[in-house]
Amino acid sequence: ETGVTQTPRHLVMGMTNKKSLKCEQHLGHNAMYWYKQSAKKPLELMFVYNFKEQTENNSVPSRFSPECPNSSHLFLHLHTLQPEDSALYLCASSQEGRSVDEQYFGPGTRLTVT
Amino acid sequence: QKEVEQDPGPLSVPEGAIVSLNCTYSNSAFQYFMWYRQYSRKGPELLMYTYSSGNKEDGRFTAQVDKSSKYISLFIRDSQPSDSATYLCAISTQGGSEKLVFGKGTKLTVNP
Repeated sequence: ETGVTQTPRHLVMGMTNKKSLKCEQHLGHNAMYWYKQSAKKPLELMFVYNFKEQTENNSVPSRFSPECPNSSHLFLHLHTLQPEDSALYLCASSQEGRSVDEQYFGPGTRLTVT
Repeated sequence: QKEVEQDPGPLSVPEGAIVSLNCTYSNSAFQYFMWYRQYSRKGPELLMYTYSSGNKEDGRFTAQVDKSSKYISLFIRDSQPSDSATYLCAISTQGGSEKLVFGKGTKLTVNP
């Protein structure tokens, strides 16, 4: 495996379910990101981890809970989501957590909340 | 006023056309300007990166920054069907730990 991988690629969940999204990067990077991409909206940064420490939480509701056990893996735990949370969730990594570092994105998880 | 404005399109052009994609921004402190390309069912990938004002060319692609007008452009010459994608501008200030601000993205289709 190379680059940034995400699983699952598609997820349908009810509002009372609990699920997790997984991201893995094989690039030796130190920073990892979660973004939300909705139609006709800019890419929204959710969380940033730099050397496993959370350095950014962009006012994300607590129903989204990130976890970064090491520099290569990032999870997004989901519970009691709302239909408006349906979107493409993208994971990215970069060498360091600087905004000018090139970010390498995974293919995303298409989430549908019913 | 939003930090970064980008017309989402869609934009449809014939093969071989010159394409102009644009973003405007409000914060004069922005100094780093990037263009990402996102193919359908894929994540974005960095296409071009410029610092401050001026032009940067890479093959058929030219990135242009006009800081006085707070306006950035991406030109694609001799457009190809393989250029069909969504193009996102992304802007940052000092290049430190502050976040990258993205535009909405413009969906481009190049018709053969």
